Amino acid sequence: NAGVTQTPKFRVLKTGQSMTLLCAQDMNHEYMYWYRQDPGMGLRLIHYSVGEGTTAKGEVPDGYNVSRLKKQNFLLGLESAAPSQTSVYFCASRADAKEYFGPGTRLTVT
Amino acid sequence: AQSVAQPEDQVNVAEGNPLTVKCTYSVSGNPYLFWYVQYPNRGLQFLLKYITGDNLVKGSYGFEAEFNKSQTSFHLKKPSALVSDSALYFCAVRDPNFNKFYFGSGTKLNVKP
Repeated sequence: NAGVTQTPKFRVLKTGQSMTLLCAQDMNHEYMYWYRQDPGMGLRLIHYSVGEGTTAKGEVPDGYNVSRLKKQNFLLGLESAAPSQTSVYFCASRADAKEYFGPGTRLTVT
Repeated sequence: AQSVAQPEDQVNVAEGNPLTVKCTYSVSGNPYLFWYVQYPNRGLQFLLKYITGDNLVKGSYGFEAEFNKSQTSFHLKKPSALVSDSALYFCAVRDPNFNKFYFGSGTKLNVKP
């Protein structure tokens, strides 16, 4: 099993550009999450999904959209990137009350 | 509202000494509590969890945590620290009624040889 993978690992965007972050898991987990990690703030939940075709808002959903068209994939989209979205983004999937995290995507918006 | 507090940004300890990383929580109902560790440029790795049962929970790499309901705490401990334990540690609580985790701000553990 590859576990949870994220694509890309790094990205630099200009303000106003759009991009999609891909999260994939091969563990057949129902629950998937997107977090952002900022210094001194821990991880904050952006959006999550409890199963294929479902999405829900987390703590900081503004400026992001998500889709879960396939059970194994959870996409995070930025329609118009802003410097405040510079962060490290982590995807996770959950089973048995334990979350499995991907390696992260470091995004810089200039 | 659910929340987690890690009062120390950084903890310094000498190798071989015991270590404690503090965590307090605020949650309605019975909490599901977790500790994760993050090494540089890596994702979070699960260490241990408390759902129910014995208040002392043992986890990976020799770590353990004690659930104290009266003090609403879930401190992470290890009897003898290793230099390789140096990392960022996150406490988290999961709301059992919803599907969300709430993370603390993290504590950087520095273990010096």
